[in-house]
Amino acid sequence: DGGITQSPKYLFRKEGQNVTLSCEQNLNHDAMYWYRQDPGQGLRLIYYSQIVNDFQKGDIAEGYSVSREKKESFPLTVTSAQKNPTAFYLCASKEQGGGTEAFFGQGTRLTVV
Amino acid sequence: KQEVTQIPAALSVPEGENLVLNCSFTDSAIYNLQWFRQDPGKGLTSLLLIQSSQREQTSGRLNASLDKSSGRSTLYIAASQPGDSATYLCAVTGAGTALIFGKGTTLSVSS
Repeated sequence: DGGITQSPKYLFRKEGQNVTLSCEQNLNHDAMYWYRQDPGQGLRLIYYSQIVNDFQKGDIAEGYSVSREKKESFPLTVTSAQKNPTAFYLCASKEQGGGTEAFFGQGTRLTVV
Repeated sequence: KQEVTQIPAALSVPEGENLVLNCSFTDSAIYNLQWFRQDPGKGLTSLLLIQSSQREQTSGRLNASLDKSSGRSTLYIAASQPGDSATYLCAVTGAGTALIFGKGTTLSVSS
């Protein structure tokens, strides 16, 4: 089945630890996105990539890093510099171009312990 | 900077009622507007995509309209059912290609 797979579904991070969230898509989409969702805040853009080996910061990129070495993969690392990482993280992809439909994964819930 | 607002933030209706969810955006220079559904603890499911040149899109009991010049979209749900209970999000895509979201409307349909 075509779609976007995020893993793990739940992730626990200790203080000072870096963790990486996985996002894989088999839709052959060029553009991929990472959003953070907090209660009452809506979805906020962290990073996005429109092509392999290129990515841009979103509105809340501080404390996060990404890579785009393969078209189908866009992992997000939450670094120790992110002081409040507890949130629900969503990955999305779509074909290149402004008028195309976006599709989302099932999300990863990250909790600091 | 584009801002997207959804009103109301929450809505409770009895089963069978027709209802309208509202979405407004500040910059009319958009490529499209997309409506999503989100169940608790889950990802987003795309419901309808309206291109900037279109006025409306329909899928089953759902109808979405777009008035780009006034910066408004509505999602009409006919004959609501308890299974429609979820959070509904609208998002616009502009020149930057990334989706910009409203905070959503949480719908509860009682049987």
